[in-house]
Amino acid sequence: ILNVEQSPQSLHVQEGDSTNFTCSFPSSNFYALHWYRWETAKSPEALFVMTLNGDEKKKGRISATLNTKEGYSYLYIKGSQPEDSATYLCAYNTGNQFYFGTGTSLTVIP
Amino acid sequence: EAQVTQNPRYLITVTGKKLTVTCSQNMNHEYMSWYRQDPGLGLRQIYYSMNVEVTDKGDVPEGYKVSRKEKRNFPLILESPSPNQTSLYFCASGRRGGSSYNSPLHFGNGTRLTVT
Repeated sequence: ILNVEQSPQSLHVQEGDSTNFTCSFPSSNFYALHWYRWETAKSPEALFVMTLNGDEKKKGRISATLNTKEGYSYLYIKGSQPEDSATYLCAYNTGNQFYFGTGTSLTVIP
Repeated sequence: EAQVTQNPRYLITVTGKKLTVTCSQNMNHEYMSWYRQDPGLGLRQIYYSMNVEVTDKGDVPEGYKVSRKEKRNFPLILESPSPNQTSLYFCASGRRGGSSYNSPLHFGNGTRLTVT
């Protein structure tokens, strides 16, 4: 079992603040790093899939970076809004298998 | 609409009574997999399938079976459920192989199983 760690475990921010989370993963046997957004009572939805060292992806106010050599990825949210409140999961893919972190729970306070 | 459909959404059963959780996808995905979510733990992979008749164990396969007789369906079978299998289960599908490793997983809505 491979260890994928996410920090912080939970985060409360004010509306309008920018924030970031970390996902660390083994740097061996790497195929891809996924980020998912998981709202309560719903299913996880894909945000980004990154495969190359140095990759940067952006979707609106959310962006992510990838460092495969040191085994970490950052997710950034600029100008947080209440609708950004969710759990953000990262998953390390070794080809056929996926290893998920425990997630970062974000609460944006209006 | 592209989707992964799991049934049932909620299930309460007793120890030892065989059950099946169904999963179906309409996106012609090669790859399908099952996960369980328990408090304080990340999603853990139970089984996965790379294509029809090709299945393999994930990290926590004990007590579960799967089959992949058709591309769209990937049922999860608990032959003799026990209370430690009480959990939230997710099915997911995706494209795999070649340049498809940059494709995301698509998740079903989850099945909350309680075994008493």
